[in-house]
Amino acid sequence: AQSVTQLDSQVPVFEEAPVELRCNYSSSVSVYLFWYVQYPNQGLQLLLKYLSGSTLVESINGFEAEFNKSQTSFHLRKPSVHISDTAEYFCAVSEPGGFKTIFGAGTRLFVKA
Amino acid sequence: DVKVTQSSRYLVKRTGEKVFLECVQDMDHENMFWYRQDPGLGLRLIYFSYDVKMKEKGDIPEGYSVSREKKERFSLILESASTNQTSMYLCASSSPGEETQYFGPGTRLLVL
Repeated sequence: AQSVTQLDSQVPVFEEAPVELRCNYSSSVSVYLFWYVQYPNQGLQLLLKYLSGSTLVESINGFEAEFNKSQTSFHLRKPSVHISDTAEYFCAVSEPGGFKTIFGAGTRLFVKA
Repeated sequence: DVKVTQSSRYLVKRTGEKVFLECVQDMDHENMFWYRQDPGLGLRLIYFSYDVKMKEKGDIPEGYSVSREKKERFSLILESASTNQTSMYLCASSSPGEETQYFGPGTRLLVL
């Protein structure tokens, strides 16, 4: 069975500092990997995804994540965060052709001025 | 842009009441999902549907049922609401082969 572990429940960071949100998954088959973001009082929206090809994927607002098959990880990074990045971030995994997506427990990112 | 709408942002119901949560998507997606979101637990799948009138149990279906009579609409029903069903409920839709799920804004349900 698939599972997702987000290693940090909360990450406080100062504005313009780098950040890494950690995600590990377990699966016996090939996977698709996702990061979703939830801003306050909103639903989730896709930040970035890995389906195949290059193991480094990027979002339009400066986040990137790297698929590491040997370490079964998909950590999310940003070199310099903004106040507006304050949100909850969810790592998720699904099987190609499957219906179900498994979500991690979420990491709350607090960006302080 | 894909739009997923949910009938209410906030609901307050009493124990034992029958509760209907409605979700509508406008992108002709085959797949629709209902999740509940609780602090520290992330999103847990209640039910999903891959076609009209088709439904499959997710990880926590107990106490819930669903209905999908039209492709664009997926309803979650709490037959007899209980206090442990107080939660945020999120609806999502997706198209086969695209993998990305599109979420509604959520309904925060309080059962007293």
